[in-house]
Amino acid sequence: EDQVTQSPEALRLQEGESSSLNCSYTVSGLRGLFWYRQDPGKGPEFLFTLYSAGEEKEKERLKATLTKKESFLHITAPKPEDSATYLCAVQAREKDSYGQNFVFGPGTRLSVLP
Amino acid sequence: SAVISQKPSRDICQRGTSLTIQCQVDSQVTMMFWYRQQPGQSLTLIATANQGSEATYESGFVIDKFPISRPNLTFSTLTVSNMSPEDSSIYLCSVGGRQETQYFGPGTRLLVL
Repeated sequence: EDQVTQSPEALRLQEGESSSLNCSYTVSGLRGLFWYRQDPGKGPEFLFTLYSAGEEKEKERLKATLTKKESFLHITAPKPEDSATYLCAVQAREKDSYGQNFVFGPGTRLSVLP
Repeated sequence: SAVISQKPSRDICQRGTSLTIQCQVDSQVTMMFWYRQQPGQSLTLIATANQGSEATYESGFVIDKFPISRPNLTFSTLTVSNMSPEDSSIYLCSVGGRQETQYFGPGTRLLVL
């Protein structure tokens, strides 16, 4: 069964204190790994898609990397506005149900203190 | 990316009643999806709504409880029927294809008393 786990569950950083969030996955044939940001009470906002091991994507203070078993979301010099829940999702090889094709992790709640 | 809107943005309902949530997309899309996010939890897919065919429901979700309409390529509705407090969640619609990134609407926050 395809699974996605994320760690830590929650992370508190001081403004400017860089860190990384982890997304570990087991999937029978990865088609893509997605990172989303979700603010409280709102829908997830798309950040990145990674397709193959070694790939990296950057956007402002965020950089996502991918290996064969996990992905990291690196946050450099974070600001309070980076506070949110960061969700990871994997898209697996096509199966009977789309629900089995796109699996979300539980998320990491990030708080950046001024 | 598509711009997605949902109505209502939030609602408070009494148990035993039903609520219909609307999802509007600014471009034609083949596949639309409905998710549920219970408090403190991640996203769980309820069903896939394809225009011109019956919705496909995931394990644990049934059409009688969550009927879905997809009358055209830019619009879909999800009804939460005979609600109970356990249905209190954020309901999200998204668009995308099997090989594409999914983009999400702003969500509908539902509280059932």
